[in-house]
Amino acid sequence: EDQVTQSPEALRLQEGESSSLNCSYTVSGLRGLFWYRQDPGKGPEFLFTLYSAGEEKEKERLKATLTKKESFLHITAPKPEDSATYLCAVQADNNNDMRFGAGTRLTVKP
Amino acid sequence: NAGVTQTPKFRILKIGQSMTLQCAQDMNHNYMYWYRQDPGMGLKLIYYSVGAGITDKGEVPNGYNVSRSTTEDFPLRLELAAPSQTSVYFCASRPSTGEADTQYFGPGTRLTVL
Repeated sequence: EDQVTQSPEALRLQEGESSSLNCSYTVSGLRGLFWYRQDPGKGPEFLFTLYSAGEEKEKERLKATLTKKESFLHITAPKPEDSATYLCAVQADNNNDMRFGAGTRLTVKP
Repeated sequence: NAGVTQTPKFRILKIGQSMTLQCAQDMNHNYMYWYRQDPGMGLKLIYYSVGAGITDKGEVPNGYNVSRSTTEDFPLRLELAAPSQTSVYFCASRPSTGEADTQYFGPGTRLTVL
């Protein structure tokens, strides 16, 4: 069965303090790994899709990387507006749906 | 484009009542999904549809029903509501071509069953 585990559950950073969020996964055949951002009371907002090991994508202070077993979301010099829950999800080959992790709740203090 | 819209935003039901959660998208996406999100948990798939007239069960379909008569709309029906169905419900859609794997989410419906 496809599984996604995110760590840590919660992370508190000072503004400017870089860190990484982890997403470990097991899937029969990976079609894609997705990162979403979710603000309180809102729906998930798409950030990145990664398809193969070694792939990297960047957007502002965020950089996502992928290996055969895990993905990292690196946050460089975060700002308070980066505070949110970050969700990871995987989609298996020949599958129309995604399996989500429980998320990492990030708080960035000024 | 409005994207994915959901109504209502909030609803309180009594045990045994029924209701329909509405979802609509104006992006001409073939694929549509219903998820539920419980506190501290990831999203779990309830039902999905690959096009008008075609639906399939997800991970947690019990207690729910769906229909897809048009490309735009994908309502979720709760029959005989139970406290275990208290959750936040998200609808999502994605295209079948182009960025075909990216799902776009609505703002959610917060449902409480008392």
